[in-house]
Amino acid sequence: GQQLNQSPQSMFIQEGEDVSMNCTSSSIFNTWLWYKQEPGEGPVLLIALYKAGELTSNGRLTAQFGITRKDSFLNISASIPSDVGIYFCAGQDSGTYKYIFGTGTRLKVLA
Amino acid sequence: DSGVTQTPKHLITATGQRVTLRCSPRSGDLSVYWYQQSLDQGLQFLIQYYNGEERAKGNILERFSAQQFPDLHSELNLSSLELGDSALYFCASSVQGGNQPQHFGDGTRLSIL
Repeated sequence: GQQLNQSPQSMFIQEGEDVSMNCTSSSIFNTWLWYKQEPGEGPVLLIALYKAGELTSNGRLTAQFGITRKDSFLNISASIPSDVGIYFCAGQDSGTYKYIFGTGTRLKVLA
Repeated sequence: DSGVTQTPKHLITATGQRVTLRCSPRSGDLSVYWYQQSLDQGLQFLIQYYNGEERAKGNILERFSAQQFPDLHSELNLSSLELGDSALYFCASSVQGGNQPQHFGDGTRLSIL
């Protein structure tokens, strides 16, 4: 099925480092969502973005809705071991209104 | 706790069998979504219901079907199971199904032997 291009696929970083990941699409999206999934659990919503250019923070997490409406990024500042997990972006296609999920970024934090 | 409840948590069955997965949405949510997540893969959208009616269809096989009942709980039926159907199946719910965020349950892990 259709999926977003999410990068990087995986990241190994040292505790305290900042992290950046992004998603791009060939379609224009109305909404961008960022989720985190830990083993054995469902994805948990981190940040929701509704307008082009919108920049929203949730603690150490910051996400932006790209001006072109075809991309979004998520930054995590000063990473800690509990940030480990898979981060998914999801965008709502403006034509079909369906949510499409990225392939995920696996984050591992080394203490 | 997202408020979305899925049962059972694990299901082990054999090829050719049929199973039913159940989802109770968050209180007040009218829309339910089903997703399939294979090992180390992203989430594949299967189907969406809103207030009992089918709203959108994704990559759902003909062997799979779903429904949403008047009390808003939903069931996903998988029949003639094949080895490749082994996956995590997630249910999510949202208030109306527009651009509101979806909140996910913890999934049902289906293993086909």
